Amino acid sequence: DIQMTQSPSSLSTSVGDRVTLTCRASQTISSYLNWYQLKPGKAPKLLIYAASTLQSGVPSRFSGSGSGTDFTLTISSLQPEDFATYYCQQSYSTPYTFGQGTKLEIK
Amino acid sequence: QVQLVQSGAEVKKPGASVKVSCKASGYTFTSYGISWVRQAPGQGLEWMGWISAYNGNTNYAQKLQGRVTMTTDTSTSTAYMELRSLRSDDTAVYYCARENYHGSSKSDYWGQGTLVTVSS
Repeated sequence: DIQMTQSPSSLSTSVGDRVTLTCRASQTISSYLNWYQLKPGKAPKLLIYAASTLQSGVPSRFSGSGSGTDFTLTISSLQPEDFATYYCQQSYSTPYTFGQGTKLEIK
Repeated sequence: QVQLVQSGAEVKKPGASVKVSCKASGYTFTSYGISWVRQAPGQGLEWMGWISAYNGNTNYAQKLQGRVTMTTDTSTSTAYMELRSLRSDDTAVYYCARENYHGSSKSDYWGQGTLVTVSS
């Protein structure tokens, strides 16, 4: 199975900050990388697919980059509604494994 | 609009089975798959597997092989996930999601989640 490792596991940030989250795959996955946002009591939300394609309806302050084994999710200016946990997932081969998540907390 | 509506919360005893439903609307059901993902309390997301609504082909996570069965009923646009021989560590919120495999594969719409509690 492909292992996905996210860093950091948590991050204390402030509204307006620029934030970059990292996801690393244990082997090359080309650009088969998705990012999801999860808030307590709510369903996960797809933000980015194919490493850098913004899902319809997702604000443009979210962006993704990377290929091969190293990927990033950037939020250009954090908004109050962005405090959540973010997961990366590889869709290169089954099982489509998730990273362990990065929790964004208010500083 | 695309919607996935899941069945309600369940409480089961160890060793029992649970079957969660996921009714889809707002799109052509057979043109996509359905993935199942769970989140145990305080834990991250765990991919359980997926089923093609087009031909019923399935792919399960190795750790659940033999205990999980995913099916679809195309006449009602409903997907089902049955998990057998339940253990306490199966306690989790179970999500279904539309698996959009056009281009790269991604779960683009999700159900609201179903809490399954396994307790004696």
